[in-house]
Amino acid sequence: NAGVTQTPKFQVLKTGQSMTLQCAQDMNHEYMSWYRQDPGMGLRLIHYSVGAGITDQGEVPNGYNVSRSTTEDFPLRLLSAAPSQTSVYFCASSYSRVDGAGYTFGSGTRLTVV
Amino acid sequence: KQEVTQIPAALSVPEGENLVLNCSFTDSAIYNLQWFRQDPGKGLTSLLLIQSSQREQTSGRLNASLDKSSGRSTLYIAASQPGDSATYLCAVSEEDFGNEKLTFGTGTRLTIIP
Repeated sequence: NAGVTQTPKFQVLKTGQSMTLQCAQDMNHEYMSWYRQDPGMGLRLIHYSVGAGITDQGEVPNGYNVSRSTTEDFPLRLLSAAPSQTSVYFCASSYSRVDGAGYTFGSGTRLTVV
Repeated sequence: KQEVTQIPAALSVPEGENLVLNCSFTDSAIYNLQWFRQDPGKGLTSLLLIQSSQREQTSGRLNASLDKSSGRSTLYIAASQPGDSATYLCAVSEEDFGNEKLTFGTGTRLTIIP
């Protein structure tokens, strides 16, 4: 099925560990982004990409890295996990930045840092 | 800075009633507004997308309206059912230094009482 696929669905990390959250879309979307969702704070933008080879920071980028080597994939790396990064992470994609074509979201990764 | 507000934060209504969810935003220069549904522990499912040039969109029992000048959108749900119980999020899309930016409200948690 076409859409945005995120892996893993759940992850527990120890403080200081690193890991990569995977995101892939098969809709040939230019736009991809990562959000985190925390209780009472809504979804906040971490990083985004407007196309292969181009990334930029969002509202809460500290502690995270991204890369976009292909149109399909947009992994999010946690460099040294901290308890404050316990959250639900969503990847989203959109066809074009022109006039806003609507976003498709993945099912999320629930991350706990202990 | 765009701010998106959804009031109330939670709403409970008996099955069969019609209801309205509200979303307000502070900057009217938007590309579009999108309504999402989120079930507990799940990702976001897009319900309706209203382009900035449109006034409303309909899908089945759902109708979303947009009044850009007043910075408001409503999601109308007709003949509510227990399966409609979920959190409903609105998000506005706008230009941000040549790129597209999505800003979310914190959602309305809807409970339909059988």
